[in-house]
Amino acid sequence: DTGVSQDPRHKITKRGQNVTFRCDPISEHNRLYWYRQTLGQGPEFLTYFQNEAQLEKSRLLSDRFSAERPKGSFSTLEIQRTEQGDSAMYLCASSFQGASETQYFGPGTRLLVL
Amino acid sequence: GNSVTQMEGPVTLSEEAFLTINCTYTATGYPSLFWYVQYPGEGLQLLLKATKADDKGSNKGFEATYRKETTSFHLEKGSVQVSDSAVYFCALQWMDSSYKLIFGSGTRLLVRP
Repeated sequence: DTGVSQDPRHKITKRGQNVTFRCDPISEHNRLYWYRQTLGQGPEFLTYFQNEAQLEKSRLLSDRFSAERPKGSFSTLEIQRTEQGDSAMYLCASSFQGASETQYFGPGTRLLVL
Repeated sequence: GNSVTQMEGPVTLSEEAFLTINCTYTATGYPSLFWYVQYPGEGLQLLLKATKADDKGSNKGFEATYRKETTSFHLEKGSVQVSDSAVYFCALQWMDSSYKLIFGSGTRLLVRP
């Protein structure tokens, strides 16, 4: 069990560019979550998948954000036309439905938009 | 709506001191409650959890008891170490179909030798 992994760990981009982050959950976990954490705050829910289906999206997830989990395994989070306000830590978590529902987090991707 | 309120930090203690970090919640129904810890530059690590009233979660010397009557889940440790310096997050798990987590704003703990 290698835990949840995320790539890249750090990303610096210029305003207006597109960025994509990847999350690999714990292998047997069928639920996958994305959260955003800004400096000095707790993480906020963005969206979640059960297998390959995206079942809920937060109001925080504007039209510039899109997430996929094409085969029910890894997931990607894309931000189009980045803005300075998108600078944050993006956290991925996974859990196994029907068990304890405990979520295990990856190390996060820290995004800085210049 | 559902929310979590934590005491503001930073909390600064000397090594071997007693730690309490207060956490209260507002929720309909009976959520599960969690404490996560975040070390600098890292993601969140699960510290402990409790799924029903009067349950006590414990791990690495940390404890927290799910108190329904006071809607609280305070984190305690009898003797802190320098290595406990981190940010601690209290969270409730919203028991709808998503089981998403709702976090407090975090409490920074600094333990001095």
